[in-house]
Amino acid sequence: AQSVTQPDIHITVSEGASLELRCNYSYGATPYLFWYVQSPGQGLQLLLKYFSGDTLVQGIKGFEAEFKRSQSSFNLRKPSVHWSDAAEYFCAVGDFGNEKLTFGTGTRLTIIP
Amino acid sequence: NAGVTQTPKFQVLKTGQSMTLQCAQDMNHEYMSWYRQDPGMGLRLIHYSVGAGITDQGEVPNGYNVSRSTTEDFPLRLLSAAPSQTSVYFCASSPTGVGEQYFGPGTRLTVT
Repeated sequence: AQSVTQPDIHITVSEGASLELRCNYSYGATPYLFWYVQSPGQGLQLLLKYFSGDTLVQGIKGFEAEFKRSQSSFNLRKPSVHWSDAAEYFCAVGDFGNEKLTFGTGTRLTIIP
Repeated sequence: NAGVTQTPKFQVLKTGQSMTLQCAQDMNHEYMSWYRQDPGMGLRLIHYSVGAGITDQGEVPNGYNVSRSTTEDFPLRLLSAAPSQTSVYFCASSPTGVGEQYFGPGTRLTVT
């Protein structure tokens, strides 16, 4: 069965600094990978997804993620964070065979001035 | 275009009571699912449906029932509420099971 690990529960970053959120997955075949963002009191919104092809994926709000098969990772990056990026971020892996998504436990991002 | 809607937004139940959380989508998506979100545990799949008349269990199905009589609606029933079911519940829809999930705004449920 697939699984996702987000090793950082909470990250604090200064506004304007760069950001990297870690995600490691376990899956037997080529995974379908996603990053979602959840603002306080809201539902989840898709930031970006990887199905195949170019391993560097661009998403909304200036985010990108890189799929590294050798490291089983799909880390999310942003070169310069804004106060509005404060939210919780979830990595997810999809199994096309059983049509299920498995989510990580999330990383809460705090932005300081 | 309303997307995915959920009602109610908030609910307080007493132990043993039953209730139905409503979920509807207007995007003609075949796949719908229910998740619960608990602190430190991310989102866990309760039940899902790949089309009208077809449902299956997810990771944490005990204490919950679902049915899918139409493409649009996917209600979640709590049969006899327990404090362990205090959580935030999200409904989602998708063209396919592993495609982009469109989430509703959530229902915050407290069981006392």
